[in-house]
Amino acid sequence: DAGVIQSPRHEVTEMGQEVTLRCKPISGHDYLFWYRQTMMRGLELLIYFNNNVPIDDSGMPEDRFSAKMPNASFSTLKIQPSEPRDSAVYFCASSLISGGPQYFGAGTRLSVL
Amino acid sequence: DQQVKQNSPSLSVQEGRISILNCDYTNSMFDYFLWYKKYPAEGPTFLISISSIKDKNEDGRFTVFLNKSAKHLSLHIVPSQPGDSAVYFCAARDGLSGGGADGLTFGKGTHLIIQP
Repeated sequence: DAGVIQSPRHEVTEMGQEVTLRCKPISGHDYLFWYRQTMMRGLELLIYFNNNVPIDDSGMPEDRFSAKMPNASFSTLKIQPSEPRDSAVYFCASSLISGGPQYFGAGTRLSVL
Repeated sequence: DQQVKQNSPSLSVQEGRISILNCDYTNSMFDYFLWYKKYPAEGPTFLISISSIKDKNEDGRFTVFLNKSAKHLSLHIVPSQPGDSAVYFCAARDGLSGGGADGLTFGKGTHLIIQP
């Protein structure tokens, strides 16, 4: 099992540019989560999906952030336009069942200059 | 307002001794607790979990204790090994609320350093 795969591992962009982060969950996992880690706020839940349907997006900071899950094996988190305060590590995680352990990808380190 | 608190940013323990990492929470709706371990440049790795109906769960060298009345849980690692050096996150799930019931609330982590 390859685990949760995120790409890119690192992203450096300029303020105002669009950024797209990608995630492939573990095959067969019905739940997919996006988290953001910053020094100030630690790990925060942004949004999660169940069977490709967004269930809770209350953690998405602003309308500049959007997430999609077009199929069971792929999700994207998009920031448009990006701002320096979006700089953080973004993690994707998946779980097999409701309330089960979540398995994380290696993360995408985003730097917005 | 932090609902999950890990008050020790770092902890240093000698190899072979017991490591005890602590976590406090404020939300009485939390019904499931997890510990994650994180190495630099990697994602958090699930270690062990405990349901709120239990007070102890053990898996090899790792034991998690839950004290619901005190809203406190701890992770014991015995014996500590050099490979245990990492950041440990406590996480909790609010099982009774609607919507984000499956999302986890994380503490800010404790950096455990195992000294030879």
